[in-house]
Formats: sequence, C-alpha cells, structure tokens
Amino acid sequence: DTAVSQTPKYLVTQMGNDKSIKCEQNLGHDTMYWYKQDSKKFLKIMFSYNNKELIINETVPNRFSPKSPDKAHLNLHINSLELGDSAVYFCASSQDPRGSEEQYFGPGTRLTVT
Amino acid sequence: GDSVTQMEGPVTLSEEAFLTINCTYTATGYPSLFWYVQYPGEGLQLLLKATKADDKGSNKGFEATYRKETTSFHLEKGSVQVSDSAVYFCALSDSFGGFQKLVFGTGTRLLVSP
Repeated sequence: DTAVSQTPKYLVTQMGNDKSIKCEQNLGHDTMYWYKQDSKKFLKIMFSYNNKELIINETVPNRFSPKSPDKAHLNLHINSLELGDSAVYFCASSQDPRGSEEQYFGPGTRLTVT
Repeated sequence: GDSVTQMEGPVTLSEEAFLTINCTYTATGYPSLFWYVQYPGEGLQLLLKATKADDKGSNKGFEATYRKETTSFHLEKGSVQVSDSAVYFCALSDSFGGFQKLVFGTGTRLLVSP
C-alpha cells in the first residue's frame, strides 16, 4: 500500500530534452507538493497544489510546469533540461495546507541530465 | 525569510552512544517545528514535531523540545542503533498566504557503527 508513489524512480536524459515525472497519492489528501533535493541534500519546495489549484510557486524557472489533473495526482513536466536540473525530486502530500500537518513523501525520482 | 540552521555532518557514533543534533531557527511568527528522517534510498518520514513553545516531540526514542527563548529544536536520543543511520532534517512550517510551507535545514547525516 504505497501512500505516495512516483514514476520513474530514475531518469537519465540529455540536455535540451523534455521529460515528465508523475506522482500519485492514495491518502485522500487535498494538498500536494514538489521538492527538489540537490547533491548536497538541501531540500527546497518548488510547488504546492491544493484541490488542483496552485498555491505555492517558489520562483522556479518556467521550464518547470506542474499539472494536477485531480487531487490525487501532481505531475511535473520539465522543458529544455539543463545540467543544473540534475537532482532528486520528491513529491509529497498533506491533508490540510493551513495547519502543521505531517507531509508524506514519495520515494523520489533521481534525475540525471548529461 | 524564515530559515533553519543545522549542525554540519556527518555525525559518527558508536552504537549505544548519546546523540545530539543541533537545530536553530529564525522565524517572524510562531512556526511549528519538525524533524524528518531520510533513510538511504527513501523519501523523508516525519520523526517528531512540536507545535508550540515548550512542547516536546518524541518518537522511537528520539526527543526534541521547542525552545522559544533560544529558538532551538535540538534532536536527542539516549542510545543510538546502527539502524538509526540516516539523514536528519530539521524543518519549520512557514505561513505563506495562509498556507503552510516547510522550510528545511541542510540535513545532518548520522553514521552509527556497531
């Protein structure tokens, strides 16, 4: 019973390509997030969606476009990939975006841009 | 903006040693504070949290007390095990237009040897 799942787990691609990462949660949560973890393990929020509406956008380049087709899914599409996009991307979800609720994280997608 | 500062790692201990990982924060309001743990190859999991001053969060033998006067939330465990080897992240919840946003520290790697 995977609570938050991501696909693919690993993604290796060349500069300039376009790729997508998918995320699904089966917890019935209203809010989903994308985080980027760099090579030094620093973790930073990128986006947050609540009930399919964008609520947080942390000055991420517009090459990154999140899409939430429904409350259970939040996908991340990246255009014109650059070397600096190499990182581990984590999806997360929580029930209440306004409180101090726990966020549940997926296993991560390791993106390598060559 | 709000920020979290953690001690640099790695922290290397022998089994059954006492653990302290320091965490201090800067915040304009009264955030909730969290410790998340990331085991190798996995996503983050909530370890413990505290939502107001003087609250103590505890789980699996780990404890941390919300100290408003010193703006700290240090993680402690009396006797570590090899299975505690992981990266530990201190975080606070920052209110962003009424929505919660987690701000993470840089993480501290703990290595426990038998």
